[in-house]
Amino acid sequence: DSGVTQTPKHLITATGQRVTLRCSPRSGDLSVYWYQQSLDQGLQFLIQYYNGEERAKGNILERFSAQQFPDLHSELNLSSLELGDSALYFCASTSSGNTDTQYFGPGTRLTVL
Amino acid sequence: DQQVKQNSPSLSVQEGRISILNCDYTNSMFDYFLWYKKYPAEGPTFLISISSIKDKNEDGRFTVFLNKSAKHLSLHIVPSQPGDSAVYFCAASARGAQKLVFGQGTRLTINP
Repeated sequence: DSGVTQTPKHLITATGQRVTLRCSPRSGDLSVYWYQQSLDQGLQFLIQYYNGEERAKGNILERFSAQQFPDLHSELNLSSLELGDSALYFCASTSSGNTDTQYFGPGTRLTVL
Repeated sequence: DQQVKQNSPSLSVQEGRISILNCDYTNSMFDYFLWYKKYPAEGPTFLISISSIKDKNEDGRFTVFLNKSAKHLSLHIVPSQPGDSAVYFCAASARGAQKLVFGQGTRLTINP
C-alpha cells in the first residue's frame, strides 16, 4: 500500500459526459501528479500540482482540468468525454515539488461507451 | 518522440534464473532513473532507482545498471521468482523537471 488513495476504482460513462476523479496523496506529501495509461501504453504525464498551485503541464487535453485543494487532495475533471478517453488514470505523490520518487495510487479505470 | 524506450514488450524467464530488462533513453538531460513494477489492477510500485552519478545500484535481488555513454539502463533480477511476474516500467527525469517520462513497459513472466 503506497498510501495514495484514488476514487472511484472503476467508472463507466457515456460519450459527451463529464466525470471527476479524486486522489488523496500520502500523508505529508505536497505534490500530486496525474498520469494517463491507455491500452498497452506507457504512462503519459498529464499535470502536476504542488501545495495547491499548478507546477507543470504535460499532454493534457483542454477538455481536462485539475485542481488541488487546501487539504492537498486533488481532482481531475474530464469533460466532453470521447471513446478514446477510456484509460487508466493514476495519481502519484511526492513530498517535494521536484520529481524524486513518485508513489502511485491504485488508479481509476475509466470506460467511455 | 519516445524519449524512453523499452524495446522488448515481453520476456519469459525460468524460475531461479536471471531476468534482465532493458531500457534506452535519448534525452541526455535525464539524470535520475527509476524502475516500477505493476501488477494488473494495481498502480505502479517503486522498485529501485539510480542517479546519473552512479553506474550501479543494488537492493536485494534487484540491481540496476546505468551506462550513460550508451544511454542505456538495465534491471537485473536474481534469482527470478514467480511473484516477479508483472509489467516493469523504466522511467527517467531531468533535474529541475517536474515529471517522469515512462517507457512502454516490459511484461515479465517467470515460468516454474
